[in-house]
Amino acid sequence: GENVEQHPSTLSVQEGDSAVIKCTYSDSASNYFPWYKQELGKRPQLIIDIRSNVGEKKDQRIAVTLNKTAKHFSLHITETQPEDSAVYFCAATKRGADGLTFGKGTHLIIQP
Amino acid sequence: EPEVTQTPSHQVTQMGQEVILRCVPISNHLYFYWYRQILGQKVEFLVSFYNNEISEKSEIFDDQFSVERPDGSNFTLKIRSTKLEDSAMYFCASRGALAGTYNEQFFGPGTRLTVL
Repeated sequence: GENVEQHPSTLSVQEGDSAVIKCTYSDSASNYFPWYKQELGKRPQLIIDIRSNVGEKKDQRIAVTLNKTAKHFSLHITETQPEDSAVYFCAATKRGADGLTFGKGTHLIIQP
Repeated sequence: EPEVTQTPSHQVTQMGQEVILRCVPISNHLYFYWYRQILGQKVEFLVSFYNNEISEKSEIFDDQFSVERPDGSNFTLKIRSTKLEDSAMYFCASRGALAGTYNEQFFGPGTRLTVL
């Protein structure tokens, strides 16, 4: 089955700086890669996703890049703000297999 | 904006007891899921459900677990005989169907299950 590795487990950045979180996946058939943000005690919420026919997607301060050959994808957050502090999970799945396989999460801390 | 809802928010039970966790997916969604998250760990897929049957299940989803859509709105997860290691947050999720592509799974707020 699919295995998703996520790094780093904790990331501390100064407010206003950029943050990058990286994930690798094992199943070359995976074709959908969402990123979820989870605040303490809350539900995971989708912040951005990318499909395998696209190399990059951007939504305001958030972007995701996908390298299918290397089987890795990354989340980029620019101009970080205190409200960006949360745990971020990457995930992967493929059509015909519904369940999302999640990475272990990155605790992003924005230092004022 | 429509949301997935779950009840109860917190369930405490004794080891060996049966529990039923309830979810109301978003009304026009067709795919339903259960995930669990042990405290401080990643979210783990349990089972997916479509067209009134299980479409996929993980190794975690053994004979102690079952799912049901008893009516047009509810989606339930039953754990037949709870174990200490079943203590976790259980999330329900649902998604709509967009032909030819994959789209967002919306998560509920979760039920925290504590097995004593």
